[in-house]
Amino acid sequence: DIQMTQSPSSLSASIGDRVTITCQASQDISRFLNWYQQKPGKAPKLLIFDASNLETGVPSRFSGSGSGTDFTFTISSLQPEDIAIYYCQQYDNLITFGQGTRLEIK
Amino acid sequence: QVQLVQSGAEVKKPGASVKVSCKTSGYTFTRYTLHWVRQAPGQRLEWMGFINAANDDTRYSQKFRDRFTIMKDTSANTAYMELSSLRSEDTALYYCVRVVYRSSWGPFDYWGQGTLVTVSS
Repeated sequence: DIQMTQSPSSLSASIGDRVTITCQASQDISRFLNWYQQKPGKAPKLLIFDASNLETGVPSRFSGSGSGTDFTFTISSLQPEDIAIYYCQQYDNLITFGQGTRLEIK
Repeated sequence: QVQLVQSGAEVKKPGASVKVSCKTSGYTFTRYTLHWVRQAPGQRLEWMGFINAANDDTRYSQKFRDRFTIMKDTSANTAYMELSSLRSEDTALYYCVRVVYRSSWGPFDYWGQGTLVTVSS
């Protein structure tokens, strides 16, 4: 199975900060990489698909980049409603998720 | 609007089986694939398997292959998952999710609300 490793596992940032989360795959997954946001008590929500495509209706402060084994997810200016856990997911070979990054307000 | 509505919480004893339904609406059921993903307390999301409602193709994670089945009732626009030989480690929130593309694999654009399955003696 392809292993997905996110970094950091938790992150504390201030409103307005630029926030970056990385996701590394154990083997080349091309651009078959998605990012989800999960708020407490809710199902995950798709934010970015195929590494860099913004899902319809998702604010433009969210972005993604990368290909192969290394990927980055960025929030350009952190807002209070962005407090959540963020997961990366690969679907190049079956499906696996990263362990999640818990984002908190400093 | 697309909706995936799952059946309610279940409490089961070790060794029992559980069946969870996922009733869909707002789209043509036979054009998309539905996956099942679970989330145990404090754990990462874990993929379990899928059913392609267009061609009945199913695929399961090797981890669950021997005790996990996905089925569908096209007339009811509903998919089901059944997990047998339950153990405490199966305590989790189970989600049905739809693939955004008209293929078996892809991003998950719609999620059910989740069904909590608790396995306890």
